[in-house]
Order: sequence, then C-alpha cells, then structure tokens
Amino acid sequence: DGGITQSPKYLFRKEGQNVTLSCEQNLNHDAMYWYRQDPGQGLRLIYYSQIVNDFQKGDIAEGYSVSREKKESFPLTVTSAQKNPTAFYLCASSNREGTLHFGNGTRLTVT
Amino acid sequence: GESVGLHLPTLSVQEGDNSIINCAYSNSASDYFIWYKQESGKGPQFIIDIRSNMDKRQGQRVTVLLNKTVKHLSLQIAATQPGDSAVYFCADQGNSGNTGKLIFGQGTTLQVKP
Repeated sequence: DGGITQSPKYLFRKEGQNVTLSCEQNLNHDAMYWYRQDPGQGLRLIYYSQIVNDFQKGDIAEGYSVSREKKESFPLTVTSAQKNPTAFYLCASSNREGTLHFGNGTRLTVT
Repeated sequence: GESVGLHLPTLSVQEGDNSIINCAYSNSASDYFIWYKQESGKGPQFIIDIRSNMDKRQGQRVTVLLNKTVKHLSLQIAATQPGDSAVYFCADQGNSGNTGKLIFGQGTTLQVKP
C-alpha cells in the first residue's frame, strides 16, 4: 500500500558523527519535507523540496543537509554541527492539493 | 512573531462525551488550517482541514470551526472513544502559500476515561 517509509525507527549515534535518516515515498508526490519534533512541542520545519534536484531551507536548517536526487527519496543528514540533534524526525510529502502525509518517524539519540 | 498555539496542554474527557480542542493563531493572513492526530511513537495523521473562506467543516465525528475575527480554530470530536486518545495539533500555512510548509501548535493531549 502507498505511504512514506522512514528508517530506521530508532537510531543511536555518538556525538561528533554525521548520521543520515532515510525517507522514501511511493505516493508519487512532488513535494517532500523534514520536520523535527521535541518532547511536548509541535513540529518545526527543517528542509523541504518541491521538485527533484531542488530544496529549500526551513526554519531550523542549521546543522542539517538534504539531497533530492530522486522523486521518491529525500534523505536527511544530521551533521556534527547540529548542537542538539537528539529528537524525533518526521518526513512528509504532499500532493498538488497540499495535504501533508507523514511517515512514522525516526527517533535519533546522540550521546 | 507568528505562532500557532493551543489553549490547554491536556484535556480529559469521559468516553461518550464530546471533546472540544481549541487553537489560536496569530497570522491574520493564514488561509489554510489543518488538524492532526498523533499517537505515541507515530507520525501525525491528517484529521480535517479548512480554508479561510469557510467557518465550519464537518467530517466523520469531527467538526472544525474557524473564527477569523478572533483568530481561533477549534476541533470538536463527537462521542469521544478510547481510540481518540492522542495528541492533537493544529497547524496553518501562515504567509507561505505552501500547504506543506506548516506552522504547528504545541499540541493538546486528549485523554479519554472509560
């Protein structure tokens, strides 16, 4: 069935290491997004891409990087420059009508 | 600055009662609003949306009301069930014109008592 797949569900890394979170969608959506969620808070936009080979910074892009080489895939790299990387990361995609569909997230813990 | 906020962090209701979750937004230019439900360990799930040219929209057991005068949004859940227990977020697209670039409130946790 169609949807957004994020992997892995849980990820553990040592401080100073870069880590890449996977996001794949088979909904044929043009636009994809990365949001970050901290405990007890709403979601904040990290990066988004409205078309292949193009992406834009969101509200909290510092310390993150993305690529969009294929329509189906929008991986997020959390670099060592991100000061507080431990969080729940949510990937989403949207169709022309704009309704956002979310994956089930990756919980990243950096120690 | 721009913000979307919910009035109460937690709402506790009896099973079978109606629930009302409130949200205030600050950007009068916002023209698209959405409610999401998030269960523990999962991504947010779309419930219902509304555009600014409407003041009410109904779905299955849910109703969203929009009051642009006071910049207030509410989600009403009829006959609340245990499966409705979750965190509910309101969101709006602000000035972006992009319905994927959303500004989220902090969420209200709905607890349904049997």
